[in-house]
Amino acid sequence: GEDVEQSLFLSVREGDSSVINCTYTDSSSTYLYWYKQEPGAGLQLLTYIFSNMDMKQDQRLTVLLNKKDKHLSLRIADTQTGDSAIYFCAEGLTDSWGKLQFGAGTQVVVTP
Amino acid sequence: AAGVIQSPRHLIKEKRETATLKCYPIPRHDTVYWYQQGPGQDPQFLISFYEKMQSDKGSIPDRFSAQQFSDYHSELNMSSLELGDSALYFCASSLKGVSEAFFGQGTRLTVV
Repeated sequence: GEDVEQSLFLSVREGDSSVINCTYTDSSSTYLYWYKQEPGAGLQLLTYIFSNMDMKQDQRLTVLLNKKDKHLSLRIADTQTGDSAIYFCAEGLTDSWGKLQFGAGTQVVVTP
Repeated sequence: AAGVIQSPRHLIKEKRETATLKCYPIPRHDTVYWYQQGPGQDPQFLISFYEKMQSDKGSIPDRFSAQQFSDYHSELNMSSLELGDSALYFCASSLKGVSEAFFGQGTRLTVV
């Protein structure tokens, strides 16, 4: 997507941490989301963060938000081969929860 | 837990034909969103409905139309199909006022 940017590819070794970065431009975004898409599959909501938060942790996932720089990151601890997928960040607005602007997606490849 | 159901999962149509995609939201969800994801691209918002009324419109071609029925399921009607309409079409549902939108597995449309 034009307003949401992500790096396109990330290679990580099994057991290491992965960090996927995203920048967005719409300052009125209220929620920022991370979705996971495996080959030929649908979009799985991983986690989301409200724009007035700095950090959110959910098991192996940590989301960091720098609102000043409009920078969002997703850290996956102890990355597993099952984490290999495309990860999309997306921004949404309060008045239209599901109308999301997606980034181009980051393909994460986990190697043994 | 029940998820968003889309049918059919796969559809092959010829150019200039018509296609109808169906979406059954999560029970009690009142809002439905349609997205189009071209090969190697991020999902693009097409249109959304809340309580059977169109609530938002994105980059939906005039050849496409959609509606939401009294049982909250939605249908995306696509006419005069073109090769470029080949894509994965996602439906998502949410409950108004709640931040999460959940996606279905998608319908893969191939136009030949």
